[in-house]
Amino acid sequence: GAVVSQHPSRVICKSGTSVKIECRSLDFQATTMFWYRQFPKKSLMLMATSNEGSKATYEQGVEKDKFLINHASLTLSTLTVTSAHPEDSSFYICSARPGTADTYEQYFGPGTRLTVT
Amino acid sequence: TQLLEQSPQFLSIQEGENLTVYCNSSSVFSSLQWYRQEPGEGPVLLVTVVTGGEVKKLKRLTFQFGDARKDSSLHITAAQPGDTGLYLCAGVKGYSTLTFGKGTMLLVSP
Repeated sequence: GAVVSQHPSRVICKSGTSVKIECRSLDFQATTMFWYRQFPKKSLMLMATSNEGSKATYEQGVEKDKFLINHASLTLSTLTVTSAHPEDSSFYICSARPGTADTYEQYFGPGTRLTVT
Repeated sequence: TQLLEQSPQFLSIQEGENLTVYCNSSSVFSSLQWYRQEPGEGPVLLVTVVTGGEVKKLKRLTFQFGDARKDSSLHITAAQPGDTGLYLCAGVKGYSTLTFGKGTMLLVSP
């Protein structure tokens, strides 16, 4: 149980285009999902917290207009990288917290490798 | 300022050796988690420690949470090539977000 999927696993796009990444909780409902960014051989940096039915909370330094997050249902959150540039190339990972807010457990997706050319 | 410091950052050892990875902070956490991540994949939760002084064992892996709940260690006995990966500690305060350490990259050679 507690499986989180991401789609696509890899994407290559041209500079200036937008890319949407999906994060799905397959066997549980997630009121909260998190989006992380990870550079090679580095740790995970939290970008934003996504709550179902409300606006996402962005970490300091993360541009909300560039990284659009939509948590439209209890099993799906999307991250759209708008007007992507080469510096946006990175490994994007989502995680999902099941059920009610009184738990610290998070389950991570397999990640999406974004390359902007 | 990095809230969680991990050491060492990189460790290369031979199969059969023992090793310890440390995760230290000046902050108190309600719980602390250890993850292992392989290249191109998401982190996989290994253990959650909650009580100060707690020790948990997972086969050849031993996890300890400091008495003051500010630090933790991961000890691997008789490391195997399959243990290779990035080990991440993450602190939890209340039911809020995770704060990750920088990670320890472990390479176990046959």
